[in-house]
Amino acid sequence: SQKIEQNSEALNIQEGKTATLTCNYTNYSPAYLQWYRQDPGRGPVFLLLIRENEKEKRKERLKVTFDTTLKQSLFHITASQPADSATYLCALDTGRRALTFGSGTRLQVQP
Amino acid sequence: DTAVSQTPKYLVTQMGNDKSIKCEQNLGHDTMYWYKQDSKKFLKIMFSYNNKELIINETVPNRFSPKSPDKAHLNLHINSLELGDSAVYFCASSHPGGTHNTQYFGPGTRLTVL
Repeated sequence: SQKIEQNSEALNIQEGKTATLTCNYTNYSPAYLQWYRQDPGRGPVFLLLIRENEKEKRKERLKVTFDTTLKQSLFHITASQPADSATYLCALDTGRRALTFGSGTRLQVQP
Repeated sequence: DTAVSQTPKYLVTQMGNDKSIKCEQNLGHDTMYWYKQDSKKFLKIMFSYNNKELIINETVPNRFSPKSPDKAHLNLHINSLELGDSAVYFCASSHPGGTHNTQYFGPGTRLTVL
């Protein structure tokens, strides 16, 4: 069956360090992958999209990689700040004109 | 300025009741969605409408019925509410011609069934 897994339900890091979140999938061949941020009590907000033919994408302190052989995407936040604390969701195009979301990783950046 | 709005934000009701959640988007998008997010934060697609036409209907009980009066609105009506319906319901929209189904979410409606 198709599956999307995100590493550890929660990730705690110190301010200034790089946070690395993982998204693994099985039985999909997505044309693209997206990352969203969700704050408590709010809807997810789109951050970045990476296509299957792109290895890496950057936006300010964010970097996403996409390895279609490993079926994995890594999401990095460099020089992390307490304001980066949130839940981060990866989402795949599964060819149904909708996205399928992972269960999310809750990131906590300690000052 | 709100792009995707939902009402109400909170909904507390008794089992067996019927309730509706409304959603409106002012982004000019063609496609709207309903998602359910359970207590474990897993976000799951329920329905999708494109230009008022139902295009995705996941395995959702018949008690849930979406209604799209126009492409800017997608309402969700739930009959005979059950305890297991307690969750946060998110409306979202996207423009198929835009960047790869990027979803714009509303603030969510927290439904609590007692």
